[in-house]
Amino acid sequence: KQEVTQIPAALSVPEGENLVLNCSFTDSAIYNLQWFRQDPGKGLTSLLLIQSSQREQTSGRLNASLDKSSGRSTLYIAASQPGDSATYLCAVREQLSFGAGTTVTVRA
Amino acid sequence: DTGVSQDPRHKITKRGQNVTFRCDPISEHNRLYWYRQTLGQGPEFLTYFQNEAQLEKSRLLSDRFSAERPKGSFSTLEIQRTEQGDSAMYLCASSLTGTQDEKLFFGSGTQLSVL
Repeated sequence: KQEVTQIPAALSVPEGENLVLNCSFTDSAIYNLQWFRQDPGKGLTSLLLIQSSQREQTSGRLNASLDKSSGRSTLYIAASQPGDSATYLCAVREQLSFGAGTTVTVRA
Repeated sequence: DTGVSQDPRHKITKRGQNVTFRCDPISEHNRLYWYRQTLGQGPEFLTYFQNEAQLEKSRLLSDRFSAERPKGSFSTLEIQRTEQGDSAMYLCASSLTGTQDEKLFFGSGTQLSVL
């Protein structure tokens, strides 16, 4: 059974600092990995999706890397802003397994 | 593309009552998923459909839970004889198979409180 872990569970940084969020998974036979953002009491918003054959994806200030052999993905958020405060979750497919998320607070 | 919509947004019910939630996926999406999420946890997979066929069900989905997608469009999730442990956010997501990335798109969820 695929296990997905996100460490740390919570993170607080001053505005402008770069964020590094980690996601690890136990079974490297994944179809793709997707990063989501979730605001309190809301659904999930897709940020980036990396196919199993890719090493990274970028969108604006966001960059996600994937290392299947070590079972890791990292989400980088450059020059954080208070609006980036949210919970960030990663999910691996085909097993449809989510991590518990990292809750980020960006202090103004 | 109006996104994935879920109804109702909130549901408060008494223990033992039945509840039904509805999900309308993005119109051209052929896959539809149901997840459950409790506070501080990631979403837990419950079941998914490809068109009208229910292809996989989690062991989390007890016999009190039933999901349907009769015409391959909207889906309903029914919980019979609700228990306090059923209190959670129920999330629906959809995707389109055969596309390059097959992204999941989520609705805003239905928050269930069982008193």
